[in-house]
Amino acid sequence: DAMVIQNPRYQVTQFGKPVTLSCSQTLNHNVMYWYQQKSSQAPKLLFHYYDKDFNNEADTPDNFQSRRPNTSFCFLDIRSPGLGDAAMYLCATTYYGEAGETQYFGPGTRLLVL
Amino acid sequence: SQQGEEDPQALSIQEGENATMNCSYKTSINNLQWYRQNSGRGLVHLILIRSNEREKHSGRLRVTLDTSKKSSSLLITASRAADTASYFCATDNYGNKLVFGAGTILRVKS
Repeated sequence: DAMVIQNPRYQVTQFGKPVTLSCSQTLNHNVMYWYQQKSSQAPKLLFHYYDKDFNNEADTPDNFQSRRPNTSFCFLDIRSPGLGDAAMYLCATTYYGEAGETQYFGPGTRLLVL
Repeated sequence: SQQGEEDPQALSIQEGENATMNCSYKTSINNLQWYRQNSGRGLVHLILIRSNEREKHSGRLRVTLDTSKKSSSLLITASRAADTASYFCATDNYGNKLVFGAGTILRVKS
C-alpha cells in the first residue's frame, strides 16, 4: 500500500507558467519534506514542515513556495518555473520523536520545463 | 556544502561479488542512514546507525560507523543484478532533517 503518494508522476510546464506538485501521506507523520534532485546529484532539501511550522532552507529560491493545509497533504508551488528548475521533486515524511526517524519517500514527480 | 561525501562515485562488479561504499561527513551526528534509489524512483531506506553504534547488519547489508574518523561504510554481500541502483548516505545532525551525500552508482553485472 502506498504510504507517500506524489501526483503527478510527470509534469510538463512552460517557462514562467506556475505549477503545483502535490504530496499526500497515510502515515500520520508530523514532518514533511520537499527535495529537489537533479540528474546524478544528491537530493537537496528545499523546505520542511514540522507540524504546521514551516522551515525554509537558506538557499531555496523565493520562486519555490509550499503549503501544508493538513497533516496528510503538502504542496510545492513553483511560481515562475525556469529551465533550471527541471528536476525530480521528492516528497518525504518522518515522525520526529520516534527512535528511528527514517524518512519515507514518495516516488517523485519529474518536472520538465519547456 | 554537503555533509556527506561518498566514494567511489561509481562501482561496477560481477554478480556474487561484494560491494563496499564509503561515506565521510564533517560535523557531529545523531545518526547516519543509507538509502537506495533505483533509476527515476524515490529513495528507499536501507539501514540507520546511531552515533553510539559501531556496526549494524540487515540481511546482506553491513554498515559500520567510525565517529572518530567521521566515516561510514556500506557493504553489500553476494550482490545481485537487482542491487543495481544509486546508494546515498545521509546524516541527521539533530536538526529534524537529513543531509545527503552525492551517492555511489552501483552496477551489478550478471
